[in-house]
Amino acid sequence: DADVTQTPRNRITKTGKRIMLECSQTKGHDRMYWYRQDPGLGLRLIYYSFDVKDINKGEISDGYSVSRQAQAKFSLSLESAIPNQTALYFCATSDPGTAYQETQYFGPGTRLLVL
Amino acid sequence: SQQGEEDPQALSIQEGENATMNCSYKTSINNLQWYRQNSGRGLVHLILIRSNEREKHSGRLRVTLDTSKKSSSLLITASRAADTASYFCATDLNSKLTFGKGITLSVRP
Repeated sequence: DADVTQTPRNRITKTGKRIMLECSQTKGHDRMYWYRQDPGLGLRLIYYSFDVKDINKGEISDGYSVSRQAQAKFSLSLESAIPNQTALYFCATSDPGTAYQETQYFGPGTRLLVL
Repeated sequence: SQQGEEDPQALSIQEGENATMNCSYKTSINNLQWYRQNSGRGLVHLILIRSNEREKHSGRLRVTLDTSKKSSSLLITASRAADTASYFCATDLNSKLTFGKGITLSVRP
């Protein structure tokens, strides 16, 4: 979905390096999310933010940090990358809208390889 | 840990046949959603069913929800080769989605 963009799309890094994955959206949504996808494990929530001043840990936040720079921007950082953080990372957005009918819009993903 | 568990893990059918995918979950939900992912790409929302609904249709998609059994099914009718993808169920509680591991659907031309 071109409304949610992620940079870079592919990244190779070495163990111990700090890297940042960026997400931008033009949908005007307040809510943003970071997930990682591993083969056979589906998507798991890393962090989420319901507005610019709100940051919450998800299921697997250890080893990650986030920054919500603006309504449209939500960045994920790996302070010291390790090989088991090799995965496909997705950013998503949502708008509360009608009660109990909130859906998420996903970016194209960033494929990260940690050597 | 995953909330939703899909079944089967993989499904291969002939074009024109119907595809049925199942999802079970463990806790209370506000709604249940199905998403589709083409190889290595972002997920795309297909259909949402609220906890007080039992059945919903959208084009060739039909989703059912049985909250007493904590289960849902997604039916794709008259499948096409372009339906080949991975399908995920996701349960929503307080605006947080928990995804299952996914079902790989292959539709043979």
